[in-house]
Amino acid sequence: DIQMTQSPSSLFASVGDRVTITCRASQSCGSFVNWYQQKPGKAPNLLIYAASSLQSGVPSRFSGSGFGTDFILTITSLQPEDFATYYCQQTYSTPLTFGGGTKVDIK
Amino acid sequence: QVQLVQSGAEVKKPGASVKVSCKASGYTFTAYYIHWVRQAPGQGLEWMGWINPNSGATNYAQKFQGRVTMTRDMSISTAYMDLSRLRYDDTAIYYCARSGNSMANYGMDVWGQGTTVTVSS
Repeated sequence: DIQMTQSPSSLFASVGDRVTITCRASQSCGSFVNWYQQKPGKAPNLLIYAASSLQSGVPSRFSGSGFGTDFILTITSLQPEDFATYYCQQTYSTPLTFGGGTKVDIK
Repeated sequence: QVQLVQSGAEVKKPGASVKVSCKASGYTFTAYYIHWVRQAPGQGLEWMGWINPNSGATNYAQKFQGRVTMTRDMSISTAYMDLSRLRYDDTAIYYCARSGNSMANYGMDVWGQGTTVTVSS
């Protein structure tokens, strides 16, 4: 199974900050990585697919990059509604696996 | 609008089975795969498997092989996830989600609201 390791596991940031979250895969995933946002009590919401493609309706302050084993989710100018937990997911091979999550909290 | 609506919360005893439903609306049910993902309290996301609503083909994570069965009823655009021989550590929120292909290469773009399954004696 491909293990997805996210860092940091949590971070504190202020509105307007630039935030980067890293996801490292235990083996190459090509560009087959997705990113989700989850708020408390809600289902996950797709932000980025195929490493860098922005899902329809998602604000352009979210972006993704990476290939192979290292992937990054960037939020430019953090907004109040962005405080949530973020998960990466590899879809290169089954079982599909998720990272452990990164919780973004208010500083 | 496109949505997946899941059945209500369940409380089960250890060793019992649970069946969760996921009703699709607003799109062609047979055109998208349905995945099941669970989340234990305070924990991350765990993929359980998928079903192709068109063919009925399934692919289960090895961890759940022998305990999980995913089915569908095309006449009512509903997918089901049946988990048997429940253990305490099966307590979780169970989500269904759709994807355009089996590997979710374009992401799981629509999710159900989640069904809480509690295993308790």
